[in-house]
Amino acid sequence: DAKTTQPTSMDCAEGRAANLPCNHSTISGNEYVYWYRQIHSQGPQYIIHGLKNNETNEMASLIITEDRKSSTLILPHATLRDTAVYYCIAQIYNQGGKLIFGQGTELSVKP
Amino acid sequence: EAQVTQNPRYLITVTGKKLTVTCSQNMNHEYMSWYRQDPGLGLRQIYYSMNVEVTDKGDVPEGYKVSRKEKRNFPLILESPSPNQTSLYFCASSSRGGSYEQYFGPGTRLTVT
Repeated sequence: DAKTTQPTSMDCAEGRAANLPCNHSTISGNEYVYWYRQIHSQGPQYIIHGLKNNETNEMASLIITEDRKSSTLILPHATLRDTAVYYCIAQIYNQGGKLIFGQGTELSVKP
Repeated sequence: EAQVTQNPRYLITVTGKKLTVTCSQNMNHEYMSWYRQDPGLGLRQIYYSMNVEVTDKGDVPEGYKVSRKEKRNFPLILESPSPNQTSLYFCASSSRGGSYEQYFGPGTRLTVT
């Protein structure tokens, strides 16, 4: 599994876009990038995933660089309820289902 | 509403007193698993189940047991709890093992004194 590196913490103003970076320079060709978030000790919540193309859903957008060594999760209009720890995970599909969570980025959305 | 439920949500117990944390999902998911979360150590998988009657160890299975007799339920059993099992526990499920989207329960905060 590729090691991921994320900033420990970030701030974002309410209503602005939150851009959360993730470095996964050792990612291999069959490893997907997943993003989850955890709001204050609640169960982690799936956000989005991708392999090499950019992805968008109702929650966020995922931008993966062409060399796949890094990615950015974009929350287009952050709200106070987006304050959470965001985890970037890079691992192969179907690995006994285990998700390998790192330390994540603590995002604080401020009014 | 699609959900994973856990009970109890909070539990304080004493060393050696057997306990069970229940987990149930209403999404007909094949795959279920248990994690524990500790400060500085993140989330670590305890056990997982690919389907009924199929279970396997995760990274930290010592001191825990599981069973999967029905598709919807995946209880976590601590037969002789010890203080080092004080932790926040999460159950998760997905349509199949390795699925991108896993659904997590609300968590069970266990304290063993």
